[in-house]
Amino acid sequence: QVQLVQSGAEVKKPGASVKVSCKASGYNFLSYGMSWVRQAPGQGLEWMGWINPYDGNTKYGHKFQDRVVLTTDTSTTTAYMELRSLRSDDTAVYFCAKDHAGFGDLYRFDPWGQGTLVTVSS
Amino acid sequence: EIVLTQSPVTLSLPPGDSATLSCRASQDVGIYLAWFQQKPGQPPRLLIYDTSNRATGIPDRFSGSGSGTHFTLTISRLEPEDSAIYYCQQRSHWPPTFGQGTKVEI
Repeated sequence: QVQLVQSGAEVKKPGASVKVSCKASGYNFLSYGMSWVRQAPGQGLEWMGWINPYDGNTKYGHKFQDRVVLTTDTSTTTAYMELRSLRSDDTAVYFCAKDHAGFGDLYRFDPWGQGTLVTVSS
Repeated sequence: EIVLTQSPVTLSLPPGDSATLSCRASQDVGIYLAWFQQKPGQPPRLLIYDTSNRATGIPDRFSGSGSGTHFTLTISRLEPEDSAIYYCQQRSHWPPTFGQGTKVEI
């Protein structure tokens, strides 16, 4: 079955960077896009960006385009989200979410990884 | 970007009742509206996509309807396990956006 397993919780200081991984299995990694979505404590869901593992093409939300970098390692079927210049309001759970259908049918998020808590604190 | 407004904020109902959740879009999103269920400490789970299509494994107690700017998620024969926050999400216009959620308490 399709599984997305994310890396463990992180604690970072303001100004630092964090890199979260999402190990995919159970499907052809190259054939489906991957999005990253975050959720601040007690808040709603916020889409950050998307990557095509086949060609590395990315789309970033306006709020994040200067600070986030999405990459993939096709040899290990792992997607990565790096967020730079961390601030306290970046404290959130970060999720990876697979496009359910192919590249002609984007942003139908199913399934999701279990989430990674990133805490930014001095 | 498209703003999705969900109502009510909280819904408290007894087991066996039906719940009706609303999601209104600031612009026409066609049929490209999905619903997710999220329980504490868990990731969101896709329930309904493209307005009315149930995702794999979702019981038929969950149904979606609507089009354009007004959408509804109906949960019939409520069970205690349905207690969760429900989010709508549009993918008609970039960027994809989510509503703020409706908390359902059984």
